[in-house]
Amino acid sequence: AQSVTQPDIHITVSEGASLELRCNYSYGATPYLFWYVQSPGQGLQLLLKYFSGDTLVQGIKGFEAEFKRSQSSFNLRKPSVHWSDAAEYFCAVEGSQGNLIFGKGTKLSVKP
Amino acid sequence: EAQVTQNPRYLITVTGKKLTVTCSQNMNHEYMSWYRQDPGLGLRQIYYSMNVEVTDKGDVPEGYKVSRKEKRNFPLILESPSPNQTSLYFCASSLEPSVHGYTFGSGTRLTVV
Repeated sequence: AQSVTQPDIHITVSEGASLELRCNYSYGATPYLFWYVQSPGQGLQLLLKYFSGDTLVQGIKGFEAEFKRSQSSFNLRKPSVHWSDAAEYFCAVEGSQGNLIFGKGTKLSVKP
Repeated sequence: EAQVTQNPRYLITVTGKKLTVTCSQNMNHEYMSWYRQDPGLGLRQIYYSMNVEVTDKGDVPEGYKVSRKEKRNFPLILESPSPNQTSLYFCASSLEPSVHGYTFGSGTRLTVV
């Protein structure tokens, strides 16, 4: 069955530092993969998605993610974090019912 | 503006008192879904609907009902709420989730006492 693992529950980075959030998936073929962000008190917003082709995907707000089939990973990155990036981030993979299966999320805190 | 609208945003109720959380989308999406979000558990799907009059159970359907009489609306019904249904609920819609992802509503924070 499809599944998503986000190994880090909580990450703290300094403002201006680089960021990498990890996501590992379990899927039988090349999956459709997504990253969402949830700001405090808000719904989830789509950051980026991967279907096929280029393994490096660009998203909104300066985020990018790299698909690595050999590692079953789809890690989210940002070169320089801003205080407004503090939020919870969710990785998702397509499910067998055409739905999305979400990881448990990684909470990002940003130190001034 | 394209959006998914949930109401209410906040609700406190007592055990056993039936309630409905409404969800409406204005994007002509066929897929709609309800998720609940709990600390440490992420988002878990309650029910989903692929089209009008077509609904199916997600991972945690117990204690919930849904209906899809019109394309734009997908209400979530708790006929006899219990404290373990205290959670943050999200409605979402999509043309095709595995391709486009979901558009989410702003959430409904439900407390059952």
